[in-house]
Amino acid sequence: DVKVTQSSRYLVKRTGEKVFLECVQDMDHENMFWYRQDPGLGLRLIYFSYDVKMKEKGDIPEGYSVSREKKERFSLILESASTNQTSMYLCASRMAQGGYTFGSGTRLTVV
Amino acid sequence: SQQGEEDPQALSIQEGENATMNCSYKTSINNLQWYRQNSGRGLVHLILIRSNEREKHSGRLRVTLDTSKKSSSLLITASRAADTASYFCATDAVQAGTALIFGKGTTLSVSS
Repeated sequence: DVKVTQSSRYLVKRTGEKVFLECVQDMDHENMFWYRQDPGLGLRLIYFSYDVKMKEKGDIPEGYSVSREKKERFSLILESASTNQTSMYLCASRMAQGGYTFGSGTRLTVV
Repeated sequence: SQQGEEDPQALSIQEGENATMNCSYKTSINNLQWYRQNSGRGLVHLILIRSNEREKHSGRLRVTLDTSKKSSSLLITASRAADTASYFCATDAVQAGTALIFGKGTTLSVSS
């Protein structure tokens, strides 16, 4: 089965910590994405990448950065975690204009 | 930049009934996609309809697309309790590069 794997299902971090959320796909997809999902706000795009070492800002990039050193791995970094970054984080990948394959999500709580 | 808006926000039906969800969007699209999300999990791709298609079927799912009205509908026939989930439309807008833009979703509850 092809898949997108997010390293943690649940994560609790302290305010001010640097947080790494890892996402790995095994489908050789060029495009990878990070969204956050909050009640009443739906899915909002944080960053995406269409190639190794390439990245594009989404709608809400503030407070986040990303890294894509290898095609299969796309990391989301919270430089200094804040309570308003408590959310469900979803990673996805796809080829060209096809459908997304999502990971199971990481529910991050910042205390 | 929320592009798709689903309607209704919530829908409750009995098993065996049909469920219809609607999606409206604002800009030109390459395709429109529907996803399902079970509580607390990632989204699962259900169906993709291209801008030059008007209707598409997959099992108990039927999707229509009206590009002149910038709207789509998802019909689930003969609903089952296992269909209980949130359903999202997502548009692959011509101007948006490679990222899909999601609506806020419709929460479907199917009771037995």
